[in-house]
Amino acid sequence: GQQVMQIPQYQHVQEGEDFTTYCNSSTTLSNIQWYKQRPGGHPVFLIQLVKSGEVKKQKRLTFQFGEAKKNSSLHITATQTTDVGTYFCAGLGFQKLVFGTGTRLLVSP
Amino acid sequence: SAVISQKPSRDICQRGTSLTIQCQVDSQVTMMFWYRQQPGQSLTLIATANQGSEATYESGFVIDKFPISRPNLTFSTLTVSNMSPEDSSIYLCSVLGDSGYNEQFFGPGTRLTVL
Repeated sequence: GQQVMQIPQYQHVQEGEDFTTYCNSSTTLSNIQWYKQRPGGHPVFLIQLVKSGEVKKQKRLTFQFGEAKKNSSLHITATQTTDVGTYFCAGLGFQKLVFGTGTRLLVSP
Repeated sequence: SAVISQKPSRDICQRGTSLTIQCQVDSQVTMMFWYRQQPGQSLTLIATANQGSEATYESGFVIDKFPISRPNLTFSTLTVSNMSPEDSSIYLCSVLGDSGYNEQFFGPGTRLTVL
């Protein structure tokens, strides 16, 4: 079945440093979504990318969808303590999401 | 966006017993999803529940172990049957948003511990 892997599994940064998580799918994706899960919370939708090579920005967050539609990345510029949590990519199949393995981000003040 | 509530928020159960988790949505939705998230892990889809039809289970999950009800467009239940410690997880329900982006809105989850 479809597998979606993320690296790194965990990253600890100092506040103000940048952070990037990479998402790789074993199959071509029709689109990809990103979610953030705060500690003790539930996943919250951030964004969806549909087009090959698409880049979208949300304030300090930049999302990219690869040209082959098999990989994606999330980059956070100048992290803040509020960015703490686990970031999941999720590939959309037929109305079903396959979640990536997740990257846990810890930000120290 | 949909507002979703789940009951109970957490429970501690003895092995061999069953627990039914309720999911209530503040609007009518066609598709509801049940996920399992084991400690420190990603989310795994258990089944998709459509109103008026049998739930569709993913590989590795069976109806006898995880029976699901979907009596109307705002409510669903997931039962974890004959529990073992390996069933200790967070169970989340979710629904599709109606913005056209196919985003999913998740309930707060039910944290289950099986002793």
